[in-house]
Amino acid sequence: NAGVTQTPKFRVLKTGQSMTLLCAQDMNHEYMYWYRQDPGMGLRLIHYSVGEGTTAKGEVPDGYNVSRLKKQNFLLGLESAAPSQTSVYFCASIPRGPPITYNEQFFGPGTRLTVL
Amino acid sequence: RKEVEQDPGPFNVPEGATVAFNCTYSNSASQSFFWYRQDCRKEPKLLMSVYSSGNEDGRFTAQLNRASQYISLLIRDSKLSDSATYLCVVPFTGRRALTFGSGTRLQVQP
Repeated sequence: NAGVTQTPKFRVLKTGQSMTLLCAQDMNHEYMYWYRQDPGMGLRLIHYSVGEGTTAKGEVPDGYNVSRLKKQNFLLGLESAAPSQTSVYFCASIPRGPPITYNEQFFGPGTRLTVL
Repeated sequence: RKEVEQDPGPFNVPEGATVAFNCTYSNSASQSFFWYRQDCRKEPKLLMSVYSSGNEDGRFTAQLNRASQYISLLIRDSKLSDSATYLCVVPFTGRRALTFGSGTRLQVQP
């Protein structure tokens, strides 16, 4: 099993360009998440999905869109990139568990994005 | 109030020392708590899960105080390889998601 993979690993964009980050997991997990991490800060939740075809906003959703058309894939889109979106983006997934409890969250290796 | 708060450190300790980190959380209904370890520029990895009053795994002990809404992580006999950032993780209020503290940086020195 590959676990959680992210594509691409690195990317440099110019202000105003668009791009899509792909997260894929082969563990049949129900829940998937996109986070961003800025220097010296913790992870902040951008968007998440609790199942195929569903998405929800996290704490910093502005400027991003997501889609979960297949259970194993979670896409994060930047429609018009801004320098403030320079960050490391992590994708993660969790298997479904008992109500109000959580299992271990598995992370991808991250995508380092620079917006000039 | 933030969902979860941690002392950012850094904690600089000599090898062999015992060090403890605290984390406070705001969601009183939380049932799952985690400590993750993050090495520089890498993805976070699970260190310990805490579902009841505490958990112990070798040199690492996590304790939960529900009344005061804090979680602690104790590392005994620190090793150079323990140098990392330790992230406190709790369920996000109102979301089917987890939220991360900003992390406590530990530097173990020879």
